Amino acid sequence: DTAVSQTPKYLVTQMGNDKSIKCEQNLGHDTMYWYKQDSKKFLKIMFSYNNKELIINETVPNRFSPKSPDKAHLNLHINSLELGDSAVYFCASSQRGPYEQYFGPGTRLTVT
Amino acid sequence: SQQGEEDPQALSIQEGENATMNCSYKTSINNLQWYRQNSGRGLVHLILIRSNEREKHSGRLRVTLDTSKKSSSLLITASRAADTASYFCATDAGTSGSRLTFGEGTQLTVNP
Repeated sequence: DTAVSQTPKYLVTQMGNDKSIKCEQNLGHDTMYWYKQDSKKFLKIMFSYNNKELIINETVPNRFSPKSPDKAHLNLHINSLELGDSAVYFCASSQRGPYEQYFGPGTRLTVT
Repeated sequence: SQQGEEDPQALSIQEGENATMNCSYKTSINNLQWYRQNSGRGLVHLILIRSNEREKHSGRLRVTLDTSKKSSSLLITASRAADTASYFCATDAGTSGSRLTFGEGTQLTVNP
């Protein structure tokens, strides 16, 4: 069974479009995260939710909006996509507190 | 600013040799974690070492933490070709749960 899953794995779209990435975890964790990994492999946290409550909201354009319908799901919606949004987006989950995180396989977003 | 910096950026060794990667950080932390990322995949947690610990082992992995120097090292002994991957350190300085800041990563290549 996949612990943290993301869909889609690849996403190719044009500038100006709106797209969503979905994430689900079956580990029973309370906390979920979105990270962005750029072309140089630099990984930066974007958002974190704990039991559907937003607890980390980094300096991210407000075109990015996370939504957590329940503690097992965390989706990322991106409006008005720009070329600079091209990256790999990772979802992760963990127990609440300073614990290791479990990452999904990533979604490679390419904006043309 | 980025918390972790890793050294070296790239390391190429022969199977059977040991590989050592270093990580430095700037502020106080709750714990430091090491992750592995195979090409095109998500990150996999390797070891978590808490700020009051100095050394930790897991199989062929040995991690040290020196909080006075704000540095950590990851040693992989008797390396294998399957160890070829990028290795990231991540510091957790969150006050309400896990908030990881990743280093730039070390690309390890183990030649058969």
